[in-house]
Amino acid sequence: DQQVKQNSPSLSVQEGRISILNCDYTNSMFDYFLWYKKYPAEGPTFLISISSIKDKNEDGRFTVFLNKSAKHLSLHIVPSQPGDSAVYFCAASSTNAGGTSYGKLTFGQGTILTVHP
Amino acid sequence: DGGITQSPKYLFRKEGQNVTLSCEQNLNHDAMYWYRQDPGQGLRLIYYSQIVNDFQKGDIAEGYSVSREKKESFPLTVTSAQKNPTAFYLCASSSNSPLAGLAKNIQYFGAGTRLSVL
Repeated sequence: DQQVKQNSPSLSVQEGRISILNCDYTNSMFDYFLWYKKYPAEGPTFLISISSIKDKNEDGRFTVFLNKSAKHLSLHIVPSQPGDSAVYFCAASSTNAGGTSYGKLTFGQGTILTVHP
Repeated sequence: DGGITQSPKYLFRKEGQNVTLSCEQNLNHDAMYWYRQDPGQGLRLIYYSQIVNDFQKGDIAEGYSVSREKKESFPLTVTSAQKNPTAFYLCASSSNSPLAGLAKNIQYFGAGTRLSVL
């Protein structure tokens, strides 16, 4: 039962263009979403997150969009750079009414992004 | 430098052997987690601990054991009961402090341990 899905195993983009990575979830209890970037043989690095009370969060070249009705989120990278080439994971979490996390993140399978010079 | 240290980077297990993966953090985080990553798959939660002397099973706990005797340390033992232990193992921690707001939900990861079977 895959509660968080990244349906595109890979994405190839030209340097300077926009990269759009997509993620779908099924559990309506998820209310906090994160994107991680991972290089081979390294641990994931936190990129950006969004709470379900928002529909957009921006940090430099990275923007995350959340569509709660569609249970869909996306990560936009503009402009894409060769150093962005990595595996990108989305993750989701449930928080209780007081904002205290149960501490469990559910991850998607990842999307390999390749940015060509 | 604050962070999460996993050791060793590479580990080999013989048939019937238990092996222990180390995870230490100096971020003063309350919660710690162990994940397993297989090729082409996402991270799957093995065990997690929200506080010292307490831990909970994750989605794939069979064949693994943990302890949390100190806040800074959360070692994972891969027992001989784990029939397919070859994977990349990742340790993470998070604050879980109400003072951190929603940022308490962000997990920070170590560099990982690659375990292979001889």
